[in-house]
Amino acid sequence: QKEVEQNSGPLSVPEGAIASLNCTYSDRGSQSFFWYRQYSGKSPELIMSIYSNGDKEDGRFTAQLNKASQYVSLLIRDSQPSDSATYLCAVKDYKLSFGAGTTVTVRA
Amino acid sequence: ETGVTQTPRHLVMGMTNKKSLKCEQHLGHNAMYWYKQSAKKPLELMFVYSLEERVENNSVPSRFSPECPNSSHLFLHLHTLQPEDSALYLCASSQGRAPLEDTQYFGPGTRLTVL
Repeated sequence: QKEVEQNSGPLSVPEGAIASLNCTYSDRGSQSFFWYRQYSGKSPELIMSIYSNGDKEDGRFTAQLNKASQYVSLLIRDSQPSDSATYLCAVKDYKLSFGAGTTVTVRA
Repeated sequence: ETGVTQTPRHLVMGMTNKKSLKCEQHLGHNAMYWYKQSAKKPLELMFVYSLEERVENNSVPSRFSPECPNSSHLFLHLHTLQPEDSALYLCASSQGRAPLEDTQYFGPGTRLTVL
């Protein structure tokens, strides 16, 4: 079983819609959770971190964490063409483990 | 320069060559990392240095040799690579002091092609 699994995508959403990205992880001891955005040909950049169960909002982004279900998600509201990228879920116990990423395309 | 920088940005080398990748962080961090990113695969952690000491080596072949002379600089020395080593090599750094909230920041990467 992969340590961190993301819905494979690609995910195509119309401009202005909500994009929903899901991530599950296998290690119950994981304490820290991160979402990175990676544009094609660029390096990952951090967009959200979450450490406690519940929701965390930052602008158009909302991260949701459910440790009992070993599940973390990212919602992108009012999606813009500039949100088109690959989104990486990363989970940390003593080291950071990444999912393979979900590619999002926002259609204008 | 700000953040994490990497040189060169692109590298093409033959299997018999020896080259080095360089990473420099300007964030005052104590931990530095090398990752390999291949197409359609998760980022693979290769090496971790904390306060210039190697704390993680994820079964990386010996043809990859890291060096961390100080907390701001990290090198990856390459020799006798294979074509399957072609990938994007990413350097990252973090404070390394608060494990829960220790966030890694990435450099722009070196795109390596082995012929």
